Amino acid sequence: KQEVTQIPAALSVPEGENLVLNCSFTDSAIYNLQWFRQDPGKGLTSLLLIQSSQREQTSGRLNASLDKSSGRSTLYIAASQPGDSATYLCAVRDSNYQLIWGAGTKLIIKP
Amino acid sequence: NAGVMQNPRHLVRRRGQEARLRCSPMKGHSHVYWYRQLPEEGLKFMVYLQKENIIDESGMPKERFSAEFPKEGPSILRIQQVVRGDSAAYFCASSPPSRATSTDTQYFGPGTRLTVL
Repeated sequence: KQEVTQIPAALSVPEGENLVLNCSFTDSAIYNLQWFRQDPGKGLTSLLLIQSSQREQTSGRLNASLDKSSGRSTLYIAASQPGDSATYLCAVRDSNYQLIWGAGTKLIIKP
Repeated sequence: NAGVMQNPRHLVRRRGQEARLRCSPMKGHSHVYWYRQLPEEGLKFMVYLQKENIIDESGMPKERFSAEFPKEGPSILRIQQVVRGDSAAYFCASSPPSRATSTDTQYFGPGTRLTVL
């Protein structure tokens, strides 16, 4: 049974720092991995999707990597800003269509 | 092109009442997925539907919960005789009508936040 873990559960850093969020999964037989952003009381915004055949994806200040063999993904945020404060969720798509989710990392960027 | 729409955004029910959550997929999408997010937890898959068919309801509680996606109109997630433990955010996602391949992204709605008093 696939399990997704995100570490740390919460993170608070000063504005301007580069930071890394971690996601690990137990079963390497995935189709893709996706990072989402969730603002308090709001919906989900898809940030990056990495197919199982890919190693990384980049969008602006965000870079996500995928290492299937070790069951890990990282989300790198460069030059963090207060507007980046949110909960970041990692989800893997299994052999069918279900998304299996981590519990998220709550990120606070201090001005 | 409107995104996935869910209504209501917030729903308050007393224990024992029924809750009906609606999801209108993106235009042209015929696959709908429902997920539940309990407080301080990640999302959990509930059910996957195509038009007039339930494909996978393995994540649905055995009792009180049902889902449908009729030929016309939105998908409905129905919770009968709600209890406090049903309080959660319920998210709907949709994807295109092609075969649900690994390249198909699920597009999420804003969610319905259900509070059971």
